[in-house]
Formats: sequence, C-alpha cells, structure tokens
Amino acid sequence: KAGVTQTPRYLIKTRGQQVTLSCSPISGHRSVSWYQQTPGQGLQFLFEYFSETQRNKGNFPGRFSGRQFSNSRSEMNVSTLELGDSALYLCASSPSWDRGPFQETQYFGPGTRLLVL
Amino acid sequence: AQSVAQPEDQVNVAEGNPLTVKCTYSVSGNPYLFWYVQYPNRGLQFLLKYITGDNLVKGSYGFEAEFNKSQTSFHLKKPSALVSDSALYFCAVRVRSNDYKLSFGAGTTVTVRA
Repeated sequence: KAGVTQTPRYLIKTRGQQVTLSCSPISGHRSVSWYQQTPGQGLQFLFEYFSETQRNKGNFPGRFSGRQFSNSRSEMNVSTLELGDSALYLCASSPSWDRGPFQETQYFGPGTRLLVL
Repeated sequence: AQSVAQPEDQVNVAEGNPLTVKCTYSVSGNPYLFWYVQYPNRGLQFLLKYITGDNLVKGSYGFEAEFNKSQTSFHLKKPSALVSDSALYFCAVRVRSNDYKLSFGAGTTVTVRA
C-alpha cells in the first residue's frame, strides 16, 4: 500500500497570506490527524478528522482550520500567516476512529515544510 | 494534565553497544504508549506500541520497550545499536481523559558512532 502523501513538500509564503496543505491517507484509512512540528514547541496536535467531521482539536487559534472529504483526503488551511507559523506540518492517518480501539497506530506522511517570510 | 517526558535531549553510543532511550509519563487513567523515529527531512515512522498485556513489547528494526507501571516509564531499547539508528526518537501517549489525542515528548536525538 502507498503511504500517506502530503503536498506540497515545501512552501514559502509571506506574512498575511494564507496557505492550504493537502494530505492523502493510506487507502482504507478513515481518520486523519494534523500536527505542527517546530524546534521550540516540538510536536503539537492540531486537529483530527473522521468521516468528514472534526472530532478532536488542539489548542491553536482559529486561523488554523481543516476539512476532510468523502474520500478521506484532508486539507489544512492557515489564514493570515505569521512568522511563527513556520514549521513542518505532518499529517497522519489511521484505519478507523469510531470510539473503539484507540490503540490504533497513526501513520505519518513526510510533511510539508512551510516557511513564512 | 497528561504529559510525556524524555529526560535526555541527546544519547550517544558506540555501534554495537546497547541503546536506551528513556520515556516517563504522567497521566490519569490507563495509557496507550508509542515510540516513533524521525530521520532528517522525513515524517515519523512507527516503531512499537504498548496497549495492554505483556510489558515487554517488540517492534521494528530490533527495537523493544518495557512498560513499567510502577515507575510510569516506557523506555526504548536496542541490544546492539547501528550507525543507521542515528535519528530523533519520540515517545507518545494517548489516554481517554484527553480524548485520546496523541501527546508527544520533546524527542531524543540518538547518535551512534562507528
């Protein structure tokens, strides 16, 4: 099976712009989660989607939003970019999150590296 | 609040020697514990997890980890390290009380010298 794919891999934006990142989960996986990785804050959970619904959310401002499509692909949007948004954004998928086996493993994509100038 | 601590920022070992990467946790409820590895400019790769049952968990690439409830630890081990094991290692925990969100430690950089 193909792994989690993320596009684009690298992105340069300027302050005030907005950006959309895309994630395609492993085939058959229904849950998609997003994380932000920075040297200072480490890995932080952004949100999780299952069946096109946001089921979990981290402590990020409303400028960060996401959505999931019927084919489980997900997008993440950041509006009004700030310098501090420069980070590696990671997407992870898992088979299902129907409040049952939360021991399921999340499989990560290679990430999108965003640089805000 | 739940937390995961990786007390060592860096671990340096010689190739062929045992490798240990430490992880302790503080949670309410039963934890689900995970180890991931990240190579430069790559995403995270899953190594192993503890859910329930046997406290010794075996994973990918010869790694294993031991769940110790009394010490609230989940240390990652490899009997004989390879230069290719040099990477950034993350411990993570998930608990019901935090809506099962995956919380990561700060990471430990492992350097294996030839």
